[in-house]
Amino acid sequence: QKEVEQDPGPLSVPEGAIVSLNCTYSNSAFQYFMWYRQYSRKGPELLMYTYSSGNKEDGRFTAQVDKSSKYISLFIRDSQPSDSATYLCAMSAVGAGGTSYGKLTFGQGTILTVHP
Amino acid sequence: DSGVTQTPKHLITATGQRVTLRCSPRSGDLSVYWYQQSLDQGLQFLIQYYNGEERAKGNILERFSAQQFPDLHSELNLSSLELGDSALYFCASSGTGQGTEAFFGQGTRLTVV
Repeated sequence: QKEVEQDPGPLSVPEGAIVSLNCTYSNSAFQYFMWYRQYSRKGPELLMYTYSSGNKEDGRFTAQVDKSSKYISLFIRDSQPSDSATYLCAMSAVGAGGTSYGKLTFGQGTILTVHP
Repeated sequence: DSGVTQTPKHLITATGQRVTLRCSPRSGDLSVYWYQQSLDQGLQFLIQYYNGEERAKGNILERFSAQQFPDLHSELNLSSLELGDSALYFCASSGTGQGTEAFFGQGTRLTVV
């Protein structure tokens, strides 16, 4: 079983829809949670990161972390065709003193298409 | 543009050969990470360097090695290449040793024939 599970989709939605992307994980040591967006043949681009549980909002994007359920989500409001990409969740564990280990563990990525 | 530069962008080589991938981190970033992305395995962590020293190691094959130089650029060396090594190789950098805000380069697409 993988440490991080992410539904690969593909997910196809109409422009303006609210998109929900999710990941589950099994490693209780994960404390930092990130969402990356990757366009075809490009490097992953950091969208948001959160520490521990809670919500974080940035423009049309909202990240949620529920550590009790080991479940994280990314919501995209008013989705646009330019949001069409692969979305990757990533996580890192915390060691002594609360510092994060550098290694990121990624989900498989969800392919999102927003059609006009 | 993330500020992380990787060269070359594409590389085609034969089985058994050796290649070197190069990464220049963002200005001021001390930490460099290497990841491999393939269709079946997704993004897999290979190795991390912080200010010239190895900090963490993932499932990196013994045929692969890396180093970070005093000017902080890094190289990933892949030897005795096999068809299965064909993948996208990404370098990322962060200001600290923590990968929480790691910025990725555009990757090197390696094709082994």
